[in-house]
Amino acid sequence: DTAVSQTPKYLVTQMGNDKSIKCEQNLGHDTMYWYKQDSKKFLKIMFSYNNKELIINETVPNRFSPKSPDKAHLNLHINSLELGDSAVYFCASRPGYTDTQYFGPGTRLTVL
Amino acid sequence: AQSVTQPDIHITVSEGASLELRCNYSYGATPYLFWYVQSPGQGLQLLLKYFSGDTLVQGIKGFEAEFKRSQSSFNLRKPSVHWSDAAEYFCAVGVSNTGNQFYFGTGTSLTVIP
Repeated sequence: DTAVSQTPKYLVTQMGNDKSIKCEQNLGHDTMYWYKQDSKKFLKIMFSYNNKELIINETVPNRFSPKSPDKAHLNLHINSLELGDSAVYFCASRPGYTDTQYFGPGTRLTVL
Repeated sequence: AQSVTQPDIHITVSEGASLELRCNYSYGATPYLFWYVQSPGQGLQLLLKYFSGDTLVQGIKGFEAEFKRSQSSFNLRKPSVHWSDAAEYFCAVGVSNTGNQFYFGTGTSLTVIP
């Protein structure tokens, strides 16, 4: 059974477009995250979110916004895409009783 | 500020040889420590973690890691490497007082030669 899933796996789009990446976890976890992995494999947290609190990495442009329709989903919306947004985006989730995070398979975004 | 350093960007070992991947962290207290592996084109898989207690932790796929407080290190080891171990390895620090965020190292790319 898939624990943390992301769709799509690959996303190719033009500059200036608006796109969304979806993330779902069926683990019943309380907190979800979005990470960006750049071309040098560096992983950087973008957001952490639970029912009560959204923590935003201050370096993330406001073109990026997380949307959580319910506890099991945390989608990432990106407006006015730029070339520098090309990266692999990972979703993760964490139960409330541990600090272990469980990662999705990633979404490779390419902006042309 | 918290940080994680993986000094080795790329390591090449022969199949069957032993492996040690280095990880150093900077944090005022004892953090939660993790090793993840990322196979080509894949997501991140948790290998092992340290929260407290025994400083030598066992993980999946025959990996182990040792927490050394005096050296602020959490090195990953495997006694005999298999070709399927070729991947990118990430050390991470979990810090509870910042929204349970993870700070990742820059990764070590492992190549296994026959």
